[in-house]
Amino acid sequence: DTGVSQNPRHKITKRGQNVTFRCDPISEHNRLYWYRQTLGQGPEFLTYFQNEAQLEKSRLLSDRFSAERPKGSFSTLEIQRTEQGDSAMYLCASSSGGASSEQYFGPGTRLTVT
Amino acid sequence: GQQLNQSPQSMFIQEGEDVSMNCTSSSIFNTWLWYKQDPGEGPVLLIALYKAGELTSNGRLTAQFGITRKDSFLNISASIPSDVGIYFCAGQIIGGSNYKLTFGKGTLLTVNP
Repeated sequence: DTGVSQNPRHKITKRGQNVTFRCDPISEHNRLYWYRQTLGQGPEFLTYFQNEAQLEKSRLLSDRFSAERPKGSFSTLEIQRTEQGDSAMYLCASSSGGASSEQYFGPGTRLTVT
Repeated sequence: GQQLNQSPQSMFIQEGEDVSMNCTSSSIFNTWLWYKQDPGEGPVLLIALYKAGELTSNGRLTAQFGITRKDSFLNISASIPSDVGIYFCAGQIIGGSNYKLTFGKGTLLTVNP
């Protein structure tokens, strides 16, 4: 399977703990995106990488959130000092660097903060 | 900020019926995309539209990019039970350093066999 993969698929954590999610994009896709989706809503943009450069961050991304893409391949999203309001599905998507803007999503990581 | 209004919020139809849903925006988009999402999974790309007025089909699905560039429509013909899911529209402005998608709230489709 050469699609976008995300790990873990589910994460349950206690409030105040740190969590880290991983995304492996489609190989050769140089653009990578993180979105957050809560129940009954569409995905909301969090941040975007072109290769290893983080080019855009949403105001939704508080200072407790940090994302990296160190070698321009996989990416990690870390949430520090989790809060119950962080409970959501975290989605990763990737796209090629050409004119096509089609973004392909992974299966997501479901975070539950208790 | 940009908002997408997607309607209807939900639809209950009989197998074999045709379905129409639409998305309108307060802003102009360069690209419209339609996704389908099953419970607990990520959205799956159905159709991408790049030009105002464009009409594109993918099997039983047909989508159109509105002339004003502020709306898009998705039609599903002869629905089948596996069409059940949440359908999202997403708009994109290409330019600068960002290619983020702005999503609607989704249309929940239920198909009764």
